[in-house]
Amino acid sequence: GQQVMQIPQYQHVQEGEDFTTYCNSSTTLSNIQWYKQRPGGHPVFLIQLVKSGEVKKQKRLTFQFGEAKKNSSLHITATQTTDVGTYFCADTSGNTPLVFGKGTRLSVIA
Amino acid sequence: DSGVTQTPKHLITATGQRVTLRCSPRSGDLSVYWYQQSLDQGLQFLIQYYNGEERAKGNILERFSAQQFPDLHSELNLSSLELGDSALYFCASSRVGGDQPQHFGDGTRLSIL
Repeated sequence: GQQVMQIPQYQHVQEGEDFTTYCNSSTTLSNIQWYKQRPGGHPVFLIQLVKSGEVKKQKRLTFQFGEAKKNSSLHITATQTTDVGTYFCADTSGNTPLVFGKGTRLSVIA
Repeated sequence: DSGVTQTPKHLITATGQRVTLRCSPRSGDLSVYWYQQSLDQGLQFLIQYYNGEERAKGNILERFSAQQFPDLHSELNLSSLELGDSALYFCASSRVGGDQPQHFGDGTRLSIL
């Protein structure tokens, strides 16, 4: 079945450094959703990307959908301790349930 | 607050037992999804219900079953529990399904002793 691979699995950064996580698929993705799960919390929907090449920003977060719709990225500028958590991408394929990547766990060292 | 309510928050039981996890979706949401999250693992999709009907199945064991009731709340039944079933079980809901954003509950942490 459809699989989405996320890299890296873990990332440790100093506060103030940038962070990027990548979501890749061998097949064309329908839409991409991004979720954040804080330690001890539940996944929270961040954004959905639909169009090829789409770029969306939420404050320090920049989300991008690849031109071929086979990859997506989430970039955080100047990380803060509040950014700590696991970031998941998920492929939506019409009526089938979301296929989540394994996530990238971000640690921020103050 | 996501609006999705899961009970209980914690459950401790023994191998071979049976438990029921409960989920009330956000008001107006017709789809309910169940996920299993083990330590350091991603979200494993178990099953989806839409307006009372089973819509999709994932890697759900035969020992597990679920249903969605007319008031749209859902229950996940886990039987003949094994140590490996220890995990965090999340319920999520969405307006319809497919590419709608999902709203997750706080989860039920199941510990099998």
